Amino acid sequence: DVKVTQSSRYLVKRTGEKVFLECVQDMDHENMFWYRQDPGLGLRLIYFSYDVKMKEKGDIPEGYSVSREKKERFSLILESASTNQTSMYLCASSRTVGLTSTDTQYFGPGTRLTVL
Amino acid sequence: KQEVTQIPAALSVPEGENLVLNCSFTDSAIYNLQWFRQDPGKGLTSLLLIQSSQREQTSGRLNASLDKSSGRSTLYIAASQPGDSATYLCAVPNTGGFKTIFGAGTRLFVKA
Repeated sequence: DVKVTQSSRYLVKRTGEKVFLECVQDMDHENMFWYRQDPGLGLRLIYFSYDVKMKEKGDIPEGYSVSREKKERFSLILESASTNQTSMYLCASSRTVGLTSTDTQYFGPGTRLTVL
Repeated sequence: KQEVTQIPAALSVPEGENLVLNCSFTDSAIYNLQWFRQDPGKGLTSLLLIQSSQREQTSGRLNASLDKSSGRSTLYIAASQPGDSATYLCAVPNTGGFKTIFGAGTRLFVKA
């Protein structure tokens, strides 16, 4: 069974804290994604990584950074958490990407982050 | 710019009813379309992927159709059950490359 795991299901942090969200996949996928999901706004892509140490900005990268030191692990970092970063964060991975890809993305269970 | 719209935003039906969820997209030059299910507070699970050369895909009580020319897809759920209650999202690859564009979803409630 394919599996994407995220380090925490629920997280509460204070404004200004540095926050690390970890994602691990066991499918040897090249591609990994971080999304945030907010009511009324749907899923928005924060960052994408297509290989170890490689990354691409998504639609809303401001206030976030990422790290991919190993193929199976993709970390999302909030350098200085703010209240507007309170959200559900979803990690995903896929074997291939691109316009003609027929591979689905596999999602983790999500991390609900609250910044006070 | 590709945009994906799902109507209705929410739907409540009695158990046993057949129902249709709608998805529309603005750029018909897509290679595939996916339907996902999301249970409250959880991640997304892929249900069906339709390639552009296909008109429909079936999995159990689910049937998804794709009409590229009109920019529409439908997800048909037969004999709905309370366990089908979830949010259903459709998604298409963006013409820009690695991005996937998701609809906002239809939240389905199936009453016992």
